[in-house]
Order: sequence, then structure tokens, then C-alpha cells
Amino acid sequence: ETGVTQTPRHLVMGMTNKKSLKCEQHLGHNAMYWYKQSAKKPLELMFVYNFKEQTENNSVPSRFSPECPNSSHLFLHLHTLQPEDSALYLCASSQEAGDRGVRTPLDSSEAFFGQGTRLTVV
Amino acid sequence: AQKITQTQPGMFVQEKEAVTLDCTYDTSDQSYGLFWYKQPSSGEMIFLIYQGSYDEQNATEGRYSLNFQKARKSANLVISASQLGDSAMYFCAMRFGGGSQGNLIFGKGTKLSVKP
Repeated sequence: ETGVTQTPRHLVMGMTNKKSLKCEQHLGHNAMYWYKQSAKKPLELMFVYNFKEQTENNSVPSRFSPECPNSSHLFLHLHTLQPEDSALYLCASSQEAGDRGVRTPLDSSEAFFGQGTRLTVV
Repeated sequence: AQKITQTQPGMFVQEKEAVTLDCTYDTSDQSYGLFWYKQPSSGEMIFLIYQGSYDEQNATEGRYSLNFQKARKSANLVISASQLGDSAMYFCAMRFGGGSQGNLIFGKGTKLSVKP
């Protein structure tokens, strides 16, 4: 039990479907993240939320839409995906030191990850 | 741009032996943080160990130690007395300054298999 729960664990969807991934953290953290993990590629950061505010969007296509209604919940809304979007989507949270949205490279606070959602787009 | 390199796609080690997983990085920054994560087949990333760029001593956490050589820009993970449960993917990650300040950048990972 990592304190970060992702649902569903597995998802198969057609290219015209709309679905949502859910992430919930029970650790009282103030930052949450979405990562994409594709085969043979490094983990890619998609979105960052600090204190419920989106602070990073790493050039992610608009067919991925994040939502953070409160500091414990994070959603990733999916629509009109492509087969190359098939991957493991990992949610993470961390407690960031310092002011809102200001983090330093030396911040030792590790990110806690969920078990991921294995997404297959057919 | 910053880059993390893990040159070993796969490694085998005999149970109870030590193993070193390599990680090198490329940055001109002086301030950065180094992390290692373990990812078992179940999918979640499990934090193992952290080292700051100004830490003078190598970090240790139980059977894990980080062999930090700043001049060579390497941050190898050493696992002592390997156990069957250590079989997993291992990722080196770093926090850099600049535009993505505070976020983690990951290497491609090394798959470790522990043989009985």
C-alpha cells in the first residue's frame, strides 16, 4: 500500500471513446503528477499540479485533459486517443517544501507512485 | 539539456551477491538531487534512495547504497546481498534546476533479474 491509488488498473478503449483515469492520494501531499511510461522509453512527465493549480504541461496533446478538484484527487480525461497513446499511466504525489509552486533541485522529498493504469487504445 | 543514461538494459545477479546498476547524468548545474526507484511487475514505482549534489557522503538505506562520483557525473546504485524479491526494473532519476525545476527526469531503466 503506497498511499496513492489509481483506478482502473487496466483499460481498453476505442479511439472514439471518452474515459477518465482517477488518482487519489491519502498522504496529505500538496503536489500531484501524471506520468506516461511507454515501452523502452523513459518515464515522461505529463502534468504537474501544485496546491491544485496546474504548474506544468509538458507539451501534452489536448486529447489528454487533467483535472485536480482538490489536493487529494487527480483525474486524466481521455478522448479520441491514438494507438500510440497505449502505455502505463502513473500518478504520483509528493510533499514539496517552500512556497507555493516553488521547488528547488535539492528538495529530497520523493514522489510516491500509484500502481498505474495500463491503457490500451484499439 | 539534462540527460540521464542507464547503459544496462538488463542485468543478472546470483542471489546473495552484490550488484551495481549504472547511472550517469549530464548537466551543467551545480545543484541537483539524485533518486533511485524500483518498479516491480505490479507497476508502482518505489523510492529507494536519495542523494543531494552537495552531500559529501554516499547515501545508504539498508541494503542500498549510492556510489556518487560527482566529477564523473555518475550515481550508481549498489544492492548488497541480493534477494529474489529484488528482481524488478530500476530507474535512476534526477531533479534539476531551470525550467523544469523540482521535477524528476528518469532514465530508461535497468531490468534486474536475481537468480536462485
